[in-house]
Amino acid sequence: ETGVTQSPTHLIKTRGQQVTLRCSSQSGHNTVSWYQQALGQGPQFIFQYYREEENGRGNFPPRFSGLQFPNYSSELNVNALELDDSALYLCASSLANRGNQETQYFGPGTRLLVL
Amino acid sequence: AQKVTQAQTEISVVEKEDVTLDCVYETRDTTYYLFWYKQPPSGELVFLIRRNSFDEQNEISGRYSWNFQKSTSSFNFTITASQVVDSAVYFCALSVNTNAGKSTFGDGTTLTVKP
Repeated sequence: ETGVTQSPTHLIKTRGQQVTLRCSSQSGHNTVSWYQQALGQGPQFIFQYYREEENGRGNFPPRFSGLQFPNYSSELNVNALELDDSALYLCASSLANRGNQETQYFGPGTRLLVL
Repeated sequence: AQKVTQAQTEISVVEKEDVTLDCVYETRDTTYYLFWYKQPPSGELVFLIRRNSFDEQNEISGRYSWNFQKSTSSFNFTITASQVVDSAVYFCALSVNTNAGKSTFGDGTTLTVKP
């Protein structure tokens, strides 16, 4: 158990819809990262939030956006869903200490299917 | 840009055999972290080890051992006396600037241990 939770566990949407995925970080962790894992591939970095501000972004379009809240929870929003957005979405929390983030702890993920 | 290559897509062994999972990485940064994660069928990534680029000492933890060689940009993972419970997908990952939350992952190696 990493203390990181995600909801929902599974989700089915249709193309063009919008979706919000939620993550609750480990208590005290000021940083959250989101990853997309397509079937048979490794996780790909979407973006990171540190103290409620975006702190880096991977190669994902602007329709992928996020929020981080003071209570260690965060959201990943995806607009205008496409079939290729079907994947496992993982969040990971970490503690930034003097600029170092040595270890991240993953949640169980949300499996999104876009039809 | 960073890259992680796990050339072995699938490995199958019989229980009690030793098995080595290969990982080769590319980065121009001199300060980086290397990681191994285990992903069981449930989907949650389980952290196994972090290695700092300045520390080339090999590490052993029970049946697990890791061989880090900067000269060949490799960070290989060996399981001794494998067990059925070791069956999972294993990912090698790289992060630069001491930020574990912005990791680049390989595509994983699926390990099947047969009784």
